[in-house]
Amino acid sequence: SYELTQPPSVSVSPGQTARITCSGDALAKQYAYWYQQKPGQAPVLVTYKDSERPSGIPERFSGSSSGTTVTLTISGVQAEDEADYYCQSADSSGTYVVFGGGTKLTVL
Amino acid sequence: QITLKESGPTLVKPTQTLTLTCTFSGFSLSTSGVGVGWIRQPPGKALEWLALIYWNDDKRYSPSLKSRLTITKETSKNQVVLTMTNMDPVDTATYYCAHSVPIYGTAGYFDYWGQGTLVTVSS
Repeated sequence: SYELTQPPSVSVSPGQTARITCSGDALAKQYAYWYQQKPGQAPVLVTYKDSERPSGIPERFSGSSSGTTVTLTISGVQAEDEADYYCQSADSSGTYVVFGGGTKLTVL
Repeated sequence: QITLKESGPTLVKPTQTLTLTCTFSGFSLSTSGVGVGWIRQPPGKALEWLALIYWNDDKRYSPSLKSRLTITKETSKNQVVLTMTNMDPVDTATYYCAHSVPIYGTAGYFDYWGQGTLVTVSS
């Protein structure tokens, strides 16, 4: 089965830049989407179609894509950004949804 | 404003069938380009996609769970129902439904989520 690989954890100090990667073969032809999930809450979409940002999401959240790796970048990290982040895409045919294993962002 | 809410049993016994209902507002499943999906999350673990249904009754299932899942829609009631057979303790999880936006015919993404409902499988 198709998989998306994320680092289990990323740590940054407030004000620094956090980069969370997600890799998978099908990312070369399928869009990626990122979700933020805080404890006890439902996920929230923070980027879509690799680099688009939904309304209401702060500009410090941005997405990029290069080959089979996509990256969520959070510039000027704030304490409130501490959360789990999940990438999501589709298999190479576009038929099935796939989530990455999640990355816990810790703000030191 | 789009909202979704999951409902169903909080406790099921092993081997039983789970039936969950997603009741939504702010959109219609009769509108082209609209879908609803189910995603679950075991305690402390990652999100796992289960199933999707679109306005045109196109249905998609996780390959690993396909034999146990059925997704249907009741358009007039603004509801989507997911059934999962032969429940096991490993199926204990929070189950979410979400509004799906397909992209160029692919599975797309989820832009609005319900609050989730915790289902525990135990005898």
